[in-house]
Amino acid sequence: DTEVTQTPKHLVMGMTNKKSLKCEQHMGHRAMYWYKQKAKKPPELMFVYSYEKLSINESVPSRFSPECPNSSLLNLHLHALQPEDSALYLCASSLFGGTGGPNTEAFFGQGTRLTVV
Amino acid sequence: ILNVEQSPQSLHVQEGDSTNFTCSFPSSNFYALHWYRWETAKSPEALFVMTLNGDEKKKGRISATLNTKEGYSYLYIKGSQPEDSATYLCASYILTGGGNKLTFGTGTQLKVEL
Repeated sequence: DTEVTQTPKHLVMGMTNKKSLKCEQHMGHRAMYWYKQKAKKPPELMFVYSYEKLSINESVPSRFSPECPNSSLLNLHLHALQPEDSALYLCASSLFGGTGGPNTEAFFGQGTRLTVV
Repeated sequence: ILNVEQSPQSLHVQEGDSTNFTCSFPSSNFYALHWYRWETAKSPEALFVMTLNGDEKKKGRISATLNTKEGYSYLYIKGSQPEDSATYLCASYILTGGGNKLTFGTGTQLKVEL
C-alpha cells in the first residue's frame, strides 16, 4: 500500500467554523508533512512531524493547528480561517523523520480543496 | 541562490520533441534533490531522488542529472508524448537543526501537443 489518503476532498467553510483535515498512511513512514498550494504557486511547507513530534512549523498562523495522534495519522485543525486561506492542502509522508537516510521520497495525497467563505 | 527555482515556467512542445527543464537550488545543508510529476487532479508522484554530485537517473524516456557544487539539476524528456503533459516540480531536501525540509520550486508546466 503506497497510498496517502486525505479526507475530505473538498471543503467549504465559513470564517467562524471549526473543521479538520485528515491524512492517513500505512507505509510505516515516520515523517509527515502539510503543504498549502495556491494556484500557479509551488506547494508551500507548513508543518513537519518527525516520529509523531512537531519538528518544523513554518511560522504558520495559529488558526491552523496540526496534530499527529499516531504514526499513521495526521490532522490539521482549522478555526477562524480567512478567505485568503482558500487553497489546496496537501499531505505527504516519507520514510525517515530523523536526520539521516537516503530514502526521502515523499508520497502525496490528492489534497483537500478548501474554500473559506 | 536562496530559493528553489525552475525554468522555464511553461513549455509547449510537439509530440516527438525532446525537451529539458532546469532546477536551481541552494547548496547549503543540501541532502537530496527530488523531481516530481504532477498531473491535473492527481497527487504529485516522485520521479527521481538524487543525492550525489554527478548523479544521473533514468526512467524510460525521462532522465535527470545533478550538480550539487553549483546547485542545479536538469530533467530531460526524450521523444515527448501527450501523456507526458504535466507539471514537473523539483524539490530540495535539506537537513536542519529543527528537522528535515522538502522545499519545492515553482514548477515547469509541460504541454505536449499532437
